[in-house]
Amino acid sequence: DTGVSQNPRHKITKRGQNVTFRCDPISEHNRLYWYRQTLGQGPEFLTYFQNEAQLEKSRLLSDRFSAERPKGSFSTLEIQRTEQGDSAMYLCASSFPGQNTEAFFGQGTRLTVV
Amino acid sequence: GIQVEQSPPDLILQEGANSTLRCNFSDSVNNLQWFHQNPWGQLINLFYIPSGTKQNGRLSATTVATERYSLLYISSSQTTDSGVYFCAVYGNNRLAFGKGNQVVVIP
Repeated sequence: DTGVSQNPRHKITKRGQNVTFRCDPISEHNRLYWYRQTLGQGPEFLTYFQNEAQLEKSRLLSDRFSAERPKGSFSTLEIQRTEQGDSAMYLCASSFPGQNTEAFFGQGTRLTVV
Repeated sequence: GIQVEQSPPDLILQEGANSTLRCNFSDSVNNLQWFHQNPWGQLINLFYIPSGTKQNGRLSATTVATERYSLLYISSSQTTDSGVYFCAVYGNNRLAFGKGNQVVVIP
């Protein structure tokens, strides 16, 4: 396994357009996380899945954001009607469940809304 | 939620120097990780260290969970050590990150 993979690496979109990002976790990991990172800040939690179930969503995840993990493998994060404030790095991580496990991150998707 | 504070926020080092980065956290934790964010934005795992001391080459880390802090040591720094170092602690089913330590190593 080559680790967590995210696509695309970069996305430039016009305000108001919809975008979708994909994350392929490490295959044995059934926990998958989405984070958002803006300039000069640490990553902030958005949501996480255990297998295909979305167990928690941050209040940062407005109703324009939706995440899925239909078969408990890869996940998608969609942003509808993008705004300039959505410009950020979107990071995906995976791990085994539980508190005593190590999380691994993908390369991230850098979104720029113009 | 758990609060994570990292210090110093910015550090400039001469190549070959040693440094210590500190991470304080607000609650008891069972899981702490240190990452290095590369210039392309990927978080590279350095240490998974809920307690005790670990070493990996020129880097080492110590977590004193009872006193709620962790330290990352960089010895004989190299220009490739430049970047942002993040401490993250696990609580409420997710990792909570500090704002990072921006390290610049000059030749």
